[in-house]
Amino acid sequence: KNQVEQSPQSLIILEGKNCTLQCNYTVSPFSNLRWYKQDTGRGPVSLTIMTFSENTKSNGRYTATLDADTKQSSLHITASQLSDSASYICVVSRQTGANNLFFGTGTRLTVIP
Amino acid sequence: EADIYQTPRYLVIGTGKKITLECSQTMGHDKMYWYQQDPGMELHLIHYSYGVNSTEKGDLSSESTVSRIRTEHFPLTLESARPSHTSQYLCASSLAGAWEEQYFGPGTRLTVT
Repeated sequence: KNQVEQSPQSLIILEGKNCTLQCNYTVSPFSNLRWYKQDTGRGPVSLTIMTFSENTKSNGRYTATLDADTKQSSLHITASQLSDSASYICVVSRQTGANNLFFGTGTRLTVIP
Repeated sequence: EADIYQTPRYLVIGTGKKITLECSQTMGHDKMYWYQQDPGMELHLIHYSYGVNSTEKGDLSSESTVSRIRTEHFPLTLESARPSHTSQYLCASSLAGAWEEQYFGPGTRLTVT
């Protein structure tokens, strides 16, 4: 079972609408959580990083939240644009271990006009 | 745009051929990584390096090999390609700290016929 689960698997929304993507994790001991955006045919690009002491962090129209107690994070996209169409990947870091990054399978977001 | 480059971007090759996927970064990062990603699936770490002359195997067993003779260069080699190697291969680099962001290259889409 993957230690990072994302939902929904895919999402289609109209341009201008808001949406929220979910990430649940079981990785322990927790270090930090990143949200990446991956355009089709490209490598992922970091949007935000959150540590256990941070509840919310914004990057333009992207707002990430973290509840370290319930091990849940969300990525909220406001006023979506066509260019937001991409896969959004949740990556959780563990404090210990040589291979300490755990990747979710991503949410495929499609914004339609 | 991250200064990390991968060549070729696309490669179609016959079974049994030897191939080398190139990855170079100009950011002076010590750590470099190779990931394998199938469509709609999470990234799987196959190799990583802490620096020159350091190479380690990742979580996903892979028949590929890597070398790190120079800081900026981290090529991946398949001695004898098979159809099961068909996938997207992503190279990344980061500074040495545990919280450091990984910068990804654009990927190489490999198809073995």
